Amino acid sequence: DTGVSQDPRHKITKRGQNVTFRCDPISEHNRLYWYRQTLGQGPEFLTYFQNEAQLEKSRLLSDRFSAERPKGSFSTLEIQRTEQGDSAMYLCASSLATGGRDEQFFGPGTRLTVL
Amino acid sequence: AQTVTQSQPEMSVQEAETVTLSCTYDTSENNYYLFWYKQPPSRQMILVIRQEAYKQQNATENRFSVNFQKAAKSFSLKISDSQLGDTAMYFCAFERARDSNYQLIWGAGTKLIIKP
Repeated sequence: DTGVSQDPRHKITKRGQNVTFRCDPISEHNRLYWYRQTLGQGPEFLTYFQNEAQLEKSRLLSDRFSAERPKGSFSTLEIQRTEQGDSAMYLCASSLATGGRDEQFFGPGTRLTVL
Repeated sequence: AQTVTQSQPEMSVQEAETVTLSCTYDTSENNYYLFWYKQPPSRQMILVIRQEAYKQQNATENRFSVNFQKAAKSFSLKISDSQLGDTAMYFCAFERARDSNYQLIWGAGTKLIIKP
């Protein structure tokens, strides 16, 4: 297993376009998290899945954002009608929940630039 | 609301020196986890060390150790015998539990530069 992977690594789009990012977690990990990280800041929590269920969404996740994890494996994060303020690094992490706190393993991120 | 504060935006030390990164947090919870993560330039975030709040003993991982002061809500990271590969952004994070969900609350990070 090669860890958490994210695709694409970089995305440049024009304002108003829709973009979709993919995250492949470590196999057998049942939790999957999405974060957003802007330059010079720490990550901010966006949303979290346990298996295919989306259990928590941050207020940062506006109506233009949607995330899915249809079969409890990979996840997609879609941003509709992108705005320049959406420019950031989008990080995905996965973990294996064993009844207590768990260690999150991060992917390399997708850097989004909205022109 | 929980917050995490890292008051040192940037630090630099010579190779082989010891460096301490500071972190303070605010919470009303009694049981929680604290983490230090490392994000090397253009590379992914990796866990350096974690501390369980109910444990009094400070966590240690090879050259990395923490000074956890629960009453003061302080969680500093000490890196001994620093190496060039330690150059990275270091983030302090707090894990809160609400129902069965767990979220990481992050500080703004400290950029650490190890000079040869």
